[in-house]
Formats: sequence, structure tokens, C-alpha cells
Amino acid sequence: EAGVTQFPSHSVIEKGQTVTLRCDPISGHDNLYWYRRVMGKEIKFLLHFVKESKQDESGMPNNRFLAERTGGTYSTLKVQPAELEDSGVYFCASSQTPSGLDEQYFGPGTRLTVT
Amino acid sequence: AQTVTQSQPEMSVQEAETVTLSCTYDTSESDYYLFWYKQPPSRQMILVIRQEAYKQQNATENRFSVNFQKAAKSFSLKISDSQLGDAAMYFCAYRSAYTGNQFYFGTGTSLTVIP
Repeated sequence: EAGVTQFPSHSVIEKGQTVTLRCDPISGHDNLYWYRRVMGKEIKFLLHFVKESKQDESGMPNNRFLAERTGGTYSTLKVQPAELEDSGVYFCASSQTPSGLDEQYFGPGTRLTVT
Repeated sequence: AQTVTQSQPEMSVQEAETVTLSCTYDTSESDYYLFWYKQPPSRQMILVIRQEAYKQQNATENRFSVNFQKAAKSFSLKISDSQLGDAAMYFCAYRSAYTGNQFYFGTGTSLTVIP
């Protein structure tokens, strides 16, 4: 069974440009999460999808970030326009059920560098 | 919001020895779940071990065990008989049993295993 995949693995863009990150969850996982780790800091929650609906987007930093999950399959996270502080590693995770001891399966992350 | 603290940015251990990684957390909730995730270099995070706050018995998974001290809000990870493959970044995570489905992560501990 394929794990969570993310594309691209690394992206370098200039301030003001737009970048779109993609996440493909494990097949059959209704729950999809986005997290971000800024260098040396903790991994922070951005948002949670259940199928195609946003269950919790309390972690989204501002309206420059737009997440979508059309059809409840893969998800995209667009940053427009990118700022220097958006640099970091963006992780996607998926799970069958959203709570308790259930494991979230993580992708390898997309390293975003904004120059 | 809950906070998770990993006070050891870096740790090292001799191969075959035992090492303990510390994790403390701050919460006013009585029920929650705690996790340790491991991220090997250039690979995705994988679950190492998990524990429910209501369970008194410390979780164990082969060479990995935890020391869960609920009153002290401490959840340390012990790795016995360390192997070269244990070298990774280790993240401690908290999940509420009441609010939301996100993980709250610590800043991570980078573990080096010395042959």
C-alpha cells in the first residue's frame, strides 16, 4: 500500500510568487491534515479535512494560504503571494479516523524556501 | 492551547546503550493521548509509540518504552539497545480527547547513534 506522498519535495521561490503544494493521502483515508515546521521550531497544525470539507482551519496563518481537497482525494495548499516567513517544511498526514489513539500517517514533507 | 516541550535539541548514544528522550507538556485536560514519532534523515515520520492518559501502564514497543508521569506531565521515551537505525529526529506529540483532532508537537530531539 502506498504511503502519503507529497509533491514537490523541495521548492525555491521568490517573495511575491505563488507556490502550490500537493498531497496524496493513503487511499481510503477520509482525514487529511496539513502541518508546517519552521526551522528549529515545533511542527504546527494548519488544517484538517474530512473528505472534501474543512473540519478545522484554525491553524492557517493568514489568507495568503488556501487549501483545497476537491473530491475528497488529494489536497493542494497554495501560498499566494509567498513571504519570507512562509519558508519551512510542509507536512501532510492522513488517517482513517480522526481521533483517539489513531495514528496519523505522514508524508515526507515539502521543503519551501522563499528568497 | 496545549504546549509540548522537548528540552533536548540533540542527544547522542553509543550503539547498544540506552538513551532517554524527555518530553513535558502543559494541559488542563484530564484525558488525552501522547505519541512519539521518529523522522529518519530524508524520510517521513513514523509512529514509534503511543499512550492514553487514562492508562497507568507504560506503553512498550520492542526496544522502545515510555515513562508516563501524569501528575508531572512528563512522557519520556526510552530506547534500549540503541541501533544505528535509531538515528533520527524524534518528536513528542499531544492530542486532546475533547477538542480537535490535531497533534501538538514539540520542537524535536535529534538523536545520533555512535558506532
